[in-house]
Amino acid sequence: QKEVEQNSGPLSVPEGAIASLNCTYSDRGSQSFFWYRQYSGKSPELIMFIYSNGDKEDGRFTAQLNKASQYVSLLIRDSQPSDSATYLCAVGRASGGSYIPTFGRGTSLIVHP
Amino acid sequence: EPEVTQTPSHQVTQMGQEVILRCVPISNHLYFYWYRQILGQKVEFLVSFYNNEISEKSEIFDDQFSVERPDGSNFTLKIRSTKLEDSAMYFCASSEGGTQETQYFGPGTRLLVL
Repeated sequence: QKEVEQNSGPLSVPEGAIASLNCTYSDRGSQSFFWYRQYSGKSPELIMFIYSNGDKEDGRFTAQLNKASQYVSLLIRDSQPSDSATYLCAVGRASGGSYIPTFGRGTSLIVHP
Repeated sequence: EPEVTQTPSHQVTQMGQEVILRCVPISNHLYFYWYRQILGQKVEFLVSFYNNEISEKSEIFDDQFSVERPDGSNFTLKIRSTKLEDSAMYFCASSEGGTQETQYFGPGTRLLVL
């Protein structure tokens, strides 16, 4: 059973702080790693993807991947109240010409003014 | 910007009834997917579809479920005889393909089985 584990939270941070979200996965054959943001009642929205070990930065977001430790994280700098949402970690495995993501349950982030 | 669309946004049905959920993927995409999310739980893969056939399906996607691309634009999910536990949000997604291509999600259909 391929598992993706996340702390459900909620993680509460003050506005302007750094929010750190973590995820571990069980399938060592996983090739692609994604962070989605999901507002209540809405569909997942892709924030970042990362495929290689190390850090990847995009604006206020940094994804970090450590395949040896089977660990993925997302840092959100200068957190804003609008960042309050559930953050889903997803781990992809190849399937045909595409991939199938396995999602974690998500971490609820609350950014308070 | 192109987007995946889904209809209806909400569907209420009686247990045992058939429902068809509709999706219009992004026009140049080749791979299509259905996911579901039971309230408060994680997003779960149901099925992937490419070249007019199922590429892969999960354990959830049993004989009650079927998918179809009836024309060049629509992609449908049919549940033949709904059960209470089918109540969930159903998301359609599409991608160009490849192991590094983004899957774009539609807004979802909230299905409630009474």
